[in-house]
Amino acid sequence: NAGVMQNPRHLVRRRGQEARLRCSPMKGHSHVYWYRQLPEEGLKFMVYLQKENIIDESGMPKERFSAEFPKEGPSILRIQQVVRGDSAAYFCASSPWKTSSYEQYFGPGTRLTVT
Amino acid sequence: AQSVAQPEDQVNVAEGNPLTVKCTYSVSGNPYLFWYVQYPNRGLQFLLKYITGDNLVKGSYGFEAEFNKSQTSFHLKKPSALVSDSALYFCAVRDHNNAGNMLTFGGGTRLMVKP
Repeated sequence: NAGVMQNPRHLVRRRGQEARLRCSPMKGHSHVYWYRQLPEEGLKFMVYLQKENIIDESGMPKERFSAEFPKEGPSILRIQQVVRGDSAAYFCASSPWKTSSYEQYFGPGTRLTVT
Repeated sequence: AQSVAQPEDQVNVAEGNPLTVKCTYSVSGNPYLFWYVQYPNRGLQFLLKYITGDNLVKGSYGFEAEFNKSQTSFHLKKPSALVSDSALYFCAVRDHNNAGNMLTFGGGTRLMVKP
């Protein structure tokens, strides 16, 4: 069973460009979470999605950031008009539909560098 | 609101000695507590969790953690440290009443095990 997949692993964008980060959850998982990690800091929750639904986006910046998890295909975190402060590692995690265990399984992350 | 504190940025220990990485938490309801480990340029790996039951939880790689409700702590321990345990450790909490399912992470503690 493959783990959580994220691509690209590294992404370089110039200021003003768009960044698209992809996440494929573990097989059988229908809950996806996005977290951001700034250098030397812990992970900060951004958004929680189920298939075709945003459940909790309380951690998402109000502008330029959006996320989706379509019925088919990976979850996408989209950052429009990137700025230097968006440089960070973005981690996706997934968990099963029915679980009493509550842990989340993390992908390897996408490291975004804005130049 | 839920929060986690890891009071030590770094813990140094000699190989073979016991190690402790501290974590305290704050939630309004019953806590679900987790420890994750992060190696350089990698995602987070799940180590162990406390959901309910015995206060002493055993996890991967010989790690264990003790849930102390009165002190609101969940310290990570290992009887005998290995050099390969050197990594960044994160404590995380989820409030049982948090329908949003998000994890709140501490700032991380860097563990350095010296031969």
